[in-house]
Amino acid sequence: EIVLTQSPGTLSLSPGERATLSCRASQSVSSSYLAWYQQKPGQAPRLLIYGASSRATGIPDRFSGSGSGTDFTLRISRLEPEDFAVYYCQQYGSSPLTFGGGTKVEIK
Amino acid sequence: EVQLVQSGAEVKKPGESLKISCKGSGYSFTSYWIGWVRQMPGKGLEWMGIIYPGDSDTRYSPSFQGQVTISADKSTSTAYLQWSSLKASDTAMYFCARVQGSGTYYNVWFDAWGQGTLVTVSS
Repeated sequence: EIVLTQSPGTLSLSPGERATLSCRASQSVSSSYLAWYQQKPGQAPRLLIYGASSRATGIPDRFSGSGSGTDFTLRISRLEPEDFAVYYCQQYGSSPLTFGGGTKVEIK
Repeated sequence: EVQLVQSGAEVKKPGESLKISCKGSGYSFTSYWIGWVRQMPGKGLEWMGIIYPGDSDTRYSPSFQGQVTISADKSTSTAYLQWSSLKASDTAMYFCARVQGSGTYYNVWFDAWGQGTLVTVSS
């Protein structure tokens, strides 16, 4: 099973700042099969990125994903008030599908 | 618009059985896998398993194999998650989600989610 470790656990930033979230895999994720989700309190997760760098439909271009192998990054270029949430990565290169533990982006 | 609407919150006692549902609309229900994801209180996301409603092909995460049963009724565009004997440790929010991707059953991600069903198991 591939274990995904997200860092930092919590990111305290102000609106307008840039956020950089990391997702590190315990072994290589084949074909960059990595997705990112955003979850706000009391809501279901929302798909942001798949294939490590492809934005899902309707996702603003301030969200970008990159990486390959074992190291992946989600960047939010300029934080909007609605971006403060928890972010999860998910690998789908091997079974079982696994998620990272999440990074909370909070208002500083 | 793709929609997945889940059944309402449940409060059950240990040992009881339960079946929760997830009704899809706005797309061809039989053409996409549906997955189930658990989120325990204050915790992260865990993949439980997926089903292809077209032929009911079902795959489980090893962590959940034998613990739950996933099924689907294509005539009503509804997927189900059921327990035969609940435990307190089953207390969690359960999400269904439409699957996207190709290749094997695990080369997939989740592009649309239900609102979640909160299951509380307490004596």
